[in-house]
Amino acid sequence: DTGVSQDPRHKITKRGQNVTFRCDPISEHNRLYWYRQTLGQGPEFLTYFQNEAQLEKSRLLSDRFSAERPKGSFSTLEIQRTEQGDSAMYLCASSLVWGEGAKNIQYFGAGTRLSVL
Amino acid sequence: EDQVTQSPEALRLQEGESSSLNCSYTVSGLRGLFWYRQDPGKGPEFLFTLYSAGEEKEKERLKATLTKKESFLHITAPKPEDSATYLCAVRGSNNDMRFGAGTRLTVKP
Repeated sequence: DTGVSQDPRHKITKRGQNVTFRCDPISEHNRLYWYRQTLGQGPEFLTYFQNEAQLEKSRLLSDRFSAERPKGSFSTLEIQRTEQGDSAMYLCASSLVWGEGAKNIQYFGAGTRLSVL
Repeated sequence: EDQVTQSPEALRLQEGESSSLNCSYTVSGLRGLFWYRQDPGKGPEFLFTLYSAGEEKEKERLKATLTKKESFLHITAPKPEDSATYLCAVRGSNNDMRFGAGTRLTVKP
C-alpha cells in the first residue's frame, strides 16, 4: 500500500514564473486535498476534490492558483506568475469518504517545498 | 470561525519525563479532532482521531483525550525518537480541517 506521493519535492523558481506540482493519492481514495504550510504554522486548507469534481476552494486560493483532478486520480496544482509570498510547503492529502457523517481521515504526502526568488 | 490554539509552542523534555500537550478549540458542530505528528521536511503523519467528549485513544507512549473545549496529548516516558512537531486539527460542520500551529517537542537523552 503506497502512500500519497508528491512531485517534485523541491522547486526553486524566479518571481513571475509559473510552476506546477503533482500529487498521486492513495489508490481508491476518492477525496484529495491541497494545503499550504509556512514555517512555524499548521497546514492551511486550499481546495479539495471528490473524485474529479472540485467541491470547495478557500479564499486563500487567489486566481493565480488553479487545481485539477481530471480523471479522479492524480491532481495538479498550478501557480501562475509566482510571487515571493507563495514560498511555502504545498501539501497534498487524500481520504476515503462514503456518506454523510462518515469518518474522514486524511493522509498526507511529504509535500513540495516552493522557493520563489 | 473555527479556531485551534496549541500550547506550549515548544517543549523540551528529558528522556523519561512525562508531560502533556494542549489543544484548545472552538468549532461549530465538532465532527472530529485529529492529532498528527510532523517531522522536519515531511508531511503530517496521522496519529489519532477523537469524535466525542470523554473519548480516549492510545498508541505506544501517546494517549489522546477530548473534552468539549480541549484535547490533551499525554506523552509517557518519552524517548528521543518522539521529538517532532505535534499538530492538532478540528473538523466542524463546514467539513473543513482547521489546524493549530503545533507544539515542537524535543526529547533529550
